[in-house]
Amino acid sequence: EIVLTQSPGTLSLSPGERATLSCRASQSVSSSYLAWYQQKPGQAPRLLIYGASSRATGIPDRFSGSGSGTDFTLTISRLEPEDFAVYYCQQYGSSPPGVTFGQGTRLEIK
Amino acid sequence: QVQLVQSGAEVKKPGASVKVSCKASGYTFTSYDINWVRQATGQGLEWMGWMNPNSGNTGYAQKFQGRVTMTRNTSISTAYMELSSLRSEDTAVYYCARVPEYSSQLDVWGQGTTVTVSS
Repeated sequence: EIVLTQSPGTLSLSPGERATLSCRASQSVSSSYLAWYQQKPGQAPRLLIYGASSRATGIPDRFSGSGSGTDFTLTISRLEPEDFAVYYCQQYGSSPPGVTFGQGTRLEIK
Repeated sequence: QVQLVQSGAEVKKPGASVKVSCKASGYTFTSYDINWVRQATGQGLEWMGWMNPNSGNTGYAQKFQGRVTMTRNTSISTAYMELSSLRSEDTAVYYCARVPEYSSQLDVWGQGTTVTVSS
C-alpha cells in the first residue's frame, strides 16, 4: 500500500506570504490520481487540485499543484485569511486498489 | 446545484450497527461512484470504500472488509453505508463523496454524519 507523507506537519505564515506544502509517496504515483483538499474546522473537505496540477471548479488561481513520481507540491502564492486550514493530499492506487490520504498539513496564521 | 445530503447524527452502543444515508441531487446519480471516508475527532481522513451506483459493484478498504456494506437505491438517488460490530474506535464523522468516472478525486462531499459509539 502506498503511504503518503506530508510535510511540514504545521506551517506558520502570515497573510500575503507564499506557502509550499509537500506530499511524498512511498512509491511512484500516477499524476492522474493525485489530488489535494482543504478542510476548515467543522466542514467537509473541499477539492482544490486533481490530476496533480488541475484546479477544481471555482478554485482561485493562487492555488497551484505540481510534481510527479513520488514528490508532489501544493503552492499557495499569496495567502489570504481564508486559506488558513488543514490540507490533505490523496492518491488512488491499484495494488491494493483504493484511496489513501496523507496525514495533513495544518496551515496556521503566524 | 450538485449536492450530497447525509442523514443525521447517530448514537450507538458497542456491538450494534449503523446505517448512514447519502442522498444525491443535481446530477445523474448513476454516473458517478460514491466513496465513503471517515474522520475521528482531531484526526485525518480515512478511506472506507467505494460503490458504483449503476452496477452496485463495491470495493472496501481491507481494514473494513467484513464489517462494512455499501448499497444504493437508484429510485431515490440514495447511497447507504452500513458498519456493523461497532466499537468505540468507530466514533467519527462519516462522509460520502462523489467521484467522476475514470477519475479518483472526490469532487463533491456530503456534510458529514457524526456517529458516536458509547455504552
